[in-house]
Amino acid sequence: AQSVTQLGSHVSVSEGALVLLRCNYSSSVPPYLFWYVQYPNQGLQLLLKYTTGATLVKGINGFEAEFKKSETSFHLTKPSAHMSDAAEYFCAVSGPPAAGNKLTFGGGTRVLVKP
Amino acid sequence: DADVTQTPRNRITKTGKRIMLECSQTKGHDRMYWYRQDPGLGLRLIYYSFDVKDINKGEISDGYSVSRQAQAKFSLSLESAIPNQTALYFCATPGSGVEQYFGPGTRLTVT
Repeated sequence: AQSVTQLGSHVSVSEGALVLLRCNYSSSVPPYLFWYVQYPNQGLQLLLKYTTGATLVKGINGFEAEFKKSETSFHLTKPSAHMSDAAEYFCAVSGPPAAGNKLTFGGGTRVLVKP
Repeated sequence: DADVTQTPRNRITKTGKRIMLECSQTKGHDRMYWYRQDPGLGLRLIYYSFDVKDINKGEISDGYSVSRQAQAKFSLSLESAIPNQTALYFCATPGSGVEQYFGPGTRLTVT
């Protein structure tokens, strides 16, 4: 079984400030971890993913996330928020391909960027 | 990247009606997925298919059925729609790795 908890359903940041979105997961097998972004009235876009290897992964639009096995966390950060970062962000975990690569999502964090 | 299309993009229907949501992909992937999105709950898996003859229930399959008419097409049906099936519905296919790519979604409202 796998699950994802995103701390904070809403986050407000000032333009230029650090963006930090928290994600903790539970998985009985080595996880594959993902962050997706959803802009208003759009579908989901993949920001970044962790599979194996380097625990700090870089994604699109200046985002990065660090896999910490000991903390079962995969927090998403961006050093300097831009107005265009206003969106909803979803953390997700999947199991191995043989089990279907089924994604389990967190509840999402909506980011508001203040000018 | 997967090229996934969904029809219709928006649909309003009445309680008790049968409705079908369609998904097509152009990349020839064997696997296809249907998810539903509700506020505060993220996305939850309804059904997934490994190929035309292999269809599996997901976390919330009650009240839904699916059909994999061809490798490229995966349809989701609500046999008798009810208001709590009002949601955003997404179809997804695999990418080049373990990630999934999502279609644009169908916004369904059941009155």
